[in-house]
Amino acid sequence: EDKVVQSPLSLVVHEGDTVTLNCSYEVTNFRSLLWYKQEKKAPTFLFMLTSSGIEKKSGRLSSILDKKELFSILNITATQTGDSAVYLCAVVGNTNAGKSTFGDGTTLTVKP
Amino acid sequence: GAVVSQHPSRVICKSGTSVKIECRSLDFQATTMFWYRQFPKQSLMLMATSNEGSKATYEQGVEKDKFLINHASLTLSTLTVTSAHPEDSSFYICSANAGGTRELFGPGTRLTVL
Repeated sequence: EDKVVQSPLSLVVHEGDTVTLNCSYEVTNFRSLLWYKQEKKAPTFLFMLTSSGIEKKSGRLSSILDKKELFSILNITATQTGDSAVYLCAVVGNTNAGKSTFGDGTTLTVKP
Repeated sequence: GAVVSQHPSRVICKSGTSVKIECRSLDFQATTMFWYRQFPKQSLMLMATSNEGSKATYEQGVEKDKFLINHASLTLSTLTVTSAHPEDSSFYICSANAGGTRELFGPGTRLTVL
């Protein structure tokens, strides 16, 4: 059974801080790992990672995958209050029609 | 571009009634759609995989007779919560794969059963 574990479960920081969110996984026939940001509605896509060691970057957010250690991190630099959200990590295997298995998420709160 | 829509976005119903939620793929065809449920402060839990033209595949612990899924066309899947009870109140999200390896999520439907 595929499994995703995220840590920490919650995090409170102040604006300007840098945060690192962790995601470890077990999956049969790994296809991809995805990061999402969820505020009040459905998750919005951040990154899709398929290869080890290649950093994906979008503004202040970046992410990298380690397929040997079955691990990914999501970094957010110079955090802003608008970054407050739940960050979800999901993995997709090559079986089961490509369904995603989600972690429990990390709730990030950025205080002014 | 490819988008997944859901309708309604919010529904309030009385206990014992049935509620139908629609999930549509716009500008693409989806042979497979996924239905998730999310309780407050919890992650998304996959309920079932909806397959066009065949029976849905339900995850362990999800009652197929309570959560009826119909994927009648390549752009529409419906989830019907039958005889809804307050414990069925949740956020229901559908998704579909537009051809890559990334799911596109619908905006979700918040169900409140009184």
